[in-house]
Amino acid sequence: DAGVTQSPTHLIKTRGQHVTLRCSPISGHKSVSWYQQVLGQGPQFIFQYYEKEERGRGNFPDRFSARQFPNYSSELNVNALLLGDSALYLCASSLVQGGDEKLFFGSGTQLSVL
Amino acid sequence: EDQVTQSPEALRLQEGESSSLNCSYTVSGLRGLFWYRQDPGKGPEFLFTLYSAGEEKEKERLKATLTKKESFLHITAPKPEDSATYLCAAYGNQFYFGTGTSLTVIP
Repeated sequence: DAGVTQSPTHLIKTRGQHVTLRCSPISGHKSVSWYQQVLGQGPQFIFQYYEKEERGRGNFPDRFSARQFPNYSSELNVNALLLGDSALYLCASSLVQGGDEKLFFGSGTQLSVL
Repeated sequence: EDQVTQSPEALRLQEGESSSLNCSYTVSGLRGLFWYRQDPGKGPEFLFTLYSAGEEKEKERLKATLTKKESFLHITAPKPEDSATYLCAAYGNQFYFGTGTSLTVIP
C-alpha cells in the first residue's frame, strides 16, 4: 500500500512569492494534518482537516491556509513568503478511528526561501 | 502552556551500550504519548503509542514507558542502524512535539 505522498520534494522560492504544497493521504485515511519542521526542531502543528472541514489550527499567521478535497488529498498554501518560512513541511494522515489518532507522515517538502 | 521537553538533545553511544531518552510533558487532557523515529531528510516514522501511566511497549531493542509526567525510551544494546533522531509527541487537543534526541551509535 502506498504511504503518504507529498509533492514537490524540494522547492526554492524568493521572498514575497506564493507556494502550494500537495499531499495525498494513505488510502482510507480521512484526516490530513500539516506540520512545519525547522532544522533542529520538532514538527509544529499548522492545520488539521477531517472530511474536508478544518478541525484544528496551530499558531501560524493568516498567510498560511489549507484545504482538503473530496478525495481527501490536501493542499497547503503560503502567501508572501518570508525567509523564516524555510523549513521541511510535513503532511500526516490518520484514520481517526476509536480515538486512536496515530499519525503517518510523508517524507516532506523541503522549502527554501531566498 | 502545553509543552513537551526532551533530553538529552544529543547522545553518543558505543554499540551495545544501553541508555534511556527522556520526554517530559505538560499537556492538558492527554489522550496519548507517541514516540517517532526520524532519519535525516525523512518524515517521522511511528514507533509506539502509550495511553496510561504504567503502560509499557516493546519493539526489538526499544522499550517505551509512561508515567503521569514523563515517558522514557529505553534502548538496549543499540546498533549503528539505531542512529536517528527520536521524537516524542503528546496528544491533547493537538499533537505537541518535542525537539528530539539525536542518537548516534558508534560501531
